[in-house]
Amino acid sequence: DGGITQSPKYLFRKEGQNVTLSCEQNLNHDAMYWYRQDPGQGLRLIYYSQIVNDFQKGDIAEGYSVSREKKESFPLTVTSAQKNPTAFYLCASSPAEGHPRTGEQFFGPGTRLTVL
Amino acid sequence: QQQVKQSPQSLIVQKGGISIINCAYENTAFDYFPWYQQFPGKGPALLIAIRPDVSEKKEGRFTISFNKSAKQFSLHIMDSQPGDSATYFCAASIGETSGSRLTFGEGTQLTVNP
Repeated sequence: DGGITQSPKYLFRKEGQNVTLSCEQNLNHDAMYWYRQDPGQGLRLIYYSQIVNDFQKGDIAEGYSVSREKKESFPLTVTSAQKNPTAFYLCASSPAEGHPRTGEQFFGPGTRLTVL
Repeated sequence: QQQVKQSPQSLIVQKGGISIINCAYENTAFDYFPWYQQFPGKGPALLIAIRPDVSEKKEGRFTISFNKSAKQFSLHIMDSQPGDSATYFCAASIGETSGSRLTFGEGTQLTVNP
């Protein structure tokens, strides 16, 4: 089955610890995205990557870091600098130019991070 | 700055009724307007999308109405069903390409009572 996998589904960390959220896709999509979802605020873009070894900051990148060493993988690290890290984190990907569904973002099931 | 405003925040409709969710945008460069549907504990999925060269797009019970001059667009769900109960997000982007940045509205939690 093709799709986007995020693990784990629930994650608990102590304040001050860095934590890395996994996102893997086997859809052969070029672009990948990380969003944060908070109640009443919609989805806010953290980082996105259009190709391997390249990524851009989104609207709320402070306190987060990413890497894109492989096309299939786009891990997100929530650092201790993120002031309010407890949230639902969503990873998405979209197919390349020329694909009939280019521009459509396909989302993973999300990881709910709770910082204690 | 929130560039896409969505209302209402929550909506309760009886089975068979019409659900209407509205969005307004500021950036006139936006030219792709999708709606995403999200069930609890899941990621959003594309429901329907429109480009500004048409004023309406219909897919089954779901219709997008688009008013370019007012910079507004809305989702209408006809004959609403309990299975439609979900959170709906409008979004907008410049271009409909790989790597396009979507700006999302705040979301509307729809409940359809049986």
